[in-house]
Amino acid sequence: GENVEQHPSTLSVQEGDSAVIKCTYSDSASNYFPWYKQELGKGPQLIIDIRSNVGEKKDQRIAVTLNKTAKHFSLHITETQPEDSAVYFCAASLPYSTLTFGKGTMLLVSP
Amino acid sequence: DAGVIQSPRHEVTEMGQEVTLRCKPISGHNSLFWYRQTMMRGLELLIYFNNNVPIDDSGMPEDRFSAKMPNASFSTLKIQPSEPRDSAVYFCASSPSDRDNQPQHFGDGTRLSIL
Repeated sequence: GENVEQHPSTLSVQEGDSAVIKCTYSDSASNYFPWYKQELGKGPQLIIDIRSNVGEKKDQRIAVTLNKTAKHFSLHITETQPEDSAVYFCAASLPYSTLTFGKGTMLLVSP
Repeated sequence: DAGVIQSPRHEVTEMGQEVTLRCKPISGHNSLFWYRQTMMRGLELLIYFNNNVPIDDSGMPEDRFSAKMPNASFSTLKIQPSEPRDSAVYFCASSPSDRDNQPQHFGDGTRLSIL
């Protein structure tokens, strides 16, 4: 099955800085890569996703890049704000299969 | 639009008791997933349904766990008998269909504590 590794496990930045979270996956056939944000006491919420036929996708301050050759994908958050503080999860999915999640990154944005 | 609704939000019970967790998926969604989240193991898929039919239950820890989906708007996850190691946050998620690459929408979970 698929295996997803996520780094770092914790990330502290100053407000206004950029934050980057990286994930690697094991199966080159994986074709769907969503990112979720989980706030305290809440369920994971989808913030952006990318499919294997696309190399980059942006939505306002967040972007995701995918390198299929290296089997890794990254979440980029620019101009971070305190409300970006949360746990972020990456995931990967083989075609017509279920999601395999990374272990999560706790992002802390200090004012 | 109402999201995925789970109940109860918190459950504290003694080991050996039966625990039933409930989930109402988003209306019109055909796929439903049950996950367990712990610090040690992260988010683990327990079981998922397509059109009310269980498709993959390979993540269910053992026979003490069972899940049902009697109709398109309701699912239960039952633990009987419960054990302290079952303590975790249990999430339900739904997605629009079983077509490839459909985003999953999560409920806010049930925090389960077995004493």
